[in-house]
Amino acid sequence: GQNIDQPTEMTATEGAIVQINCTYQTSGFNGLFWYQQHAGEAPTFLSYNVLDGLEEKGRFSSFLSRSKGYSYLLLKELQMKDSASYLCAAERNYGQNFVFGPGTRLSVLP
Amino acid sequence: DTEVTQTPKHLVMGMTNKKSLKCEQHMGHRAMYWYKQKAKKPPELMFVYSYEKLSINESVPSRFSPECPNSSLLNLHLHALQPEDSALYLCATSAGGSEQYFGPGTRLTVT
Repeated sequence: GQNIDQPTEMTATEGAIVQINCTYQTSGFNGLFWYQQHAGEAPTFLSYNVLDGLEEKGRFSSFLSRSKGYSYLLLKELQMKDSASYLCAAERNYGQNFVFGPGTRLSVLP
Repeated sequence: DTEVTQTPKHLVMGMTNKKSLKCEQHMGHRAMYWYKQKAKKPPELMFVYSYEKLSINESVPSRFSPECPNSSLLNLHLHALQPEDSALYLCATSAGGSEQYFGPGTRLTVT
């Protein structure tokens, strides 16, 4: 079966660093996506990892370990606008299927 | 053009109505998806079209009927829905093996 897990909620302070973890078990795994979703809006793409290691993109970085079925999203220099849900999604069978984790609701406090 | 558009933005329908949701993209992506998202839950995959052919139906009830008239358009026909079908319906596209681009969604309320 497919199983993707993330913490339900996290809280952090403006200017801090936060790491959101994602573990997955899924057949036909190809890559791991991270999306940001503000309430009432569609998900927007943050990062995509296919190979093991760290991908850095501005304030956001994402890490993947295929052997451990583990990924994390690192957000630096947190801003109030980063308050949102963060979804990890496993891509299966080269884009034929995507399975989303439950999402982590991040609250950034002043 | 990296935009996926969806119409209508909001839809209220009775349980006996027939309505359609529309999705359009001009990115030349070969894969198109319908998702259903309930409040505070992640998107749930409903259907996948690849090269205009239905490739995945995630055991969706027959009151939801997808259609892909051409490579730019994706429809979702709705008939005899239930109140529990009220949700945000998201369309997405992908070149395959790359990110999905999501449309803004249609917020559906079934009364």
